[in-house]
Amino acid sequence: GAVVSQHPSWVICKSGTSVKIECRSLDFQATTMFWYRQFPKQSLMLMATSNEGSKATYEQGVEKDKFLINHASLTLSTLTVTSAHPEDSSFYICSAPHPQSYGYTFGSGTRLTVV
Amino acid sequence: DAKTTQPPSMDCAEGRAANLPCNHSTISGNEYVYWYRQIHSQGPQYIIHGLKNNETNEMASLIITEDRKSSTLILPHATLRDTAVYYCSINGGSNYKLTFGKGTLLTVNP
Repeated sequence: GAVVSQHPSWVICKSGTSVKIECRSLDFQATTMFWYRQFPKQSLMLMATSNEGSKATYEQGVEKDKFLINHASLTLSTLTVTSAHPEDSSFYICSAPHPQSYGYTFGSGTRLTVV
Repeated sequence: DAKTTQPPSMDCAEGRAANLPCNHSTISGNEYVYWYRQIHSQGPQYIIHGLKNNETNEMASLIITEDRKSSTLILPHATLRDTAVYYCSINGGSNYKLTFGKGTLLTVNP
């Protein structure tokens, strides 16, 4: 139980376009979702925290106008990378608190390549 | 903010116990110790967590020192599939943001 489904698993887009990544909690309600970015051979870096029905909270140095986060329902949070540039190419991962424990459940990640 | 310190890499022979250390000297009284692992190009997988008592589940054991400033994750019988980056993290529980240090790359050798 407590599965977070993340789509797409990989995407290639052209510079200047926007890409939307979705994370769905399949069998539980996620009032909070965390979004991470991971560059090759590096650790996960927390980008922002999305809360259902309210504005997301961004970590220092993360551009909120570039990385749009929407958490419109208790089972869906989206991250939109706007006006993508090659330096935005990365592995993006979402996570939600596990409902029956104090742990966190992660999505499978999205590999974004901007060309 | 490096809340945890882990060795960058470790090796272990298949079938042997893997003991992964983590230092978290700035942990506060209400913060838990979490362990996750990440196999290449996948999302992290929860392993175990604890507050102050030692914990065991079907995947691993977690030993936390009495002063809570360090902990050790034990994989009792490592297999090749346990090769991954293991992250130790501390935070206050669900809905608190979970941040990661650099982790330990565990390589299990045949």
